[in-house]
Amino acid sequence: KAGVTQTPRYLIKTRGQQVTLSCSPISGHRSVSWYQQTPGQGLQFLFEYFSETQRNKGNFPGRFSGRQFSNSRSEMNVSTLELGDSALYLCASSLDGQPQHFGDGTRLSIL
Amino acid sequence: QKEVEQNSGPLSVPEGAIASLNCTYSDRGSQSFFWYRQYSGKSPELIMFIYSNGDKEDGRFTAQLNKASQYVSLLIRDSQPSDSATYLCAGGANDYKLSFGAGTTVTVRA
Repeated sequence: KAGVTQTPRYLIKTRGQQVTLSCSPISGHRSVSWYQQTPGQGLQFLFEYFSETQRNKGNFPGRFSGRQFSNSRSEMNVSTLELGDSALYLCASSLDGQPQHFGDGTRLSIL
Repeated sequence: QKEVEQNSGPLSVPEGAIASLNCTYSDRGSQSFFWYRQYSGKSPELIMFIYSNGDKEDGRFTAQLNKASQYVSLLIRDSQPSDSATYLCAGGANDYKLSFGAGTTVTVRA
């Protein structure tokens, strides 16, 4: 069974740009969650989607947004990138919230 | 105060010994708990989850949950060099998010 697939694996952007990350969940999983991981803050919850509805959102500015499509694939978007947005962005999928299985992540570097 | 606190590491154990990892949580609404293993440069991998008080064993891993004390632990028996990684404790309530601890880095000495 294929795992969670995140694309791209690596991204380099400059301040002020925007970026879109993609996540395809495990087949049959309808819940997709996004996390940001940094050395200083650890793993922090961004948002969770189920059947195209956002059910919870973490404490991140409005520059961070997401959506989920009818096939459960999800995207997250970060606009007006800042240096502090450099991080590993992880997507996790589950049947209905738990337990969550992570993808390999997208490493985003802001120059 | 963070919702999930893990005992500070790093933790170094000899091969074949038991590694003991501890985690406390502050949200009494948390009902499910997870242990993830993360190798350097990789993403977290789910190794155990526990929902009820008591012990849950899976191979060399045992998770323990005490909701009254708001305490979760992970024991790794017969530690192997391949167990060297950072272990993340996470708690979940009925709000569809996981709160993670900072992680404990374990090194198994051959």
